[in-house]
Amino acid sequence: ETGVTQSPTHLIKTRGQQVTLRCSSQSGHNTVSWYQQALGQGPQFIFQYYREEENGRGNFPPRFSGLQFPNYSSELNVNALELDDSALYLCASSRPGGTQYFGPGTRLLVL
Amino acid sequence: EDKVVQSPLSLVVHEGDTVTLNCSYEVTNFRSLLWYKQEKKAPTFLFMLTSSGIEKKSGRLSSILDKKELFSILNITATQTGDSAIYLCAVPSGPNFGNEKLTFGTGTRLTIIP
Repeated sequence: ETGVTQSPTHLIKTRGQQVTLRCSSQSGHNTVSWYQQALGQGPQFIFQYYREEENGRGNFPPRFSGLQFPNYSSELNVNALELDDSALYLCASSRPGGTQYFGPGTRLLVL
Repeated sequence: EDKVVQSPLSLVVHEGDTVTLNCSYEVTNFRSLLWYKQEKKAPTFLFMLTSSGIEKKSGRLSSILDKKELFSILNITATQTGDSAIYLCAVPSGPNFGNEKLTFGTGTRLTIIP
């Protein structure tokens, strides 16, 4: 186990709702990255946070937003949920420039 | 845009067989290539490769990188049912630390039949 934790493990929402996913980084890691993994696909990079600032973003619309807190934990917020947002959401923690270690993920289903 | 292609997409073999998984990549500023194993949810780190021709080994798993031909292979010998998983290949990139973003392939789904 990596020491990266995520909550909740599963979530069901309806279209148009908002969701917040949480991630606690591994001890000693101050960088958190978020990924979306649709069924049958590899993870897609959403964004990375370092020192409470966004440090790189993938091709996701602004309704995907995030936060990092002083203890390096992080949140992913998704507004105006769409059916295509149904996926496994993974967070990974690392030191800057270091290997990313993943948490167990949150499986989101949008109905 | 960085690109990672894995083959085959799916592989079914019998316990004890040896398998080879392939990963080719196109990346602007190559730094390293990573292999992960994903059994249920969390991808777990296997190897990081930075230099051509140097084999990384962990038990029955080994991997090698060819930076000239832009590919890597992951070998698993004497496969066991516990090796059944999706194997993901990824390349890191980014303007600041060089690893802000991991670009993944679609993965190879490996199934081991007892």
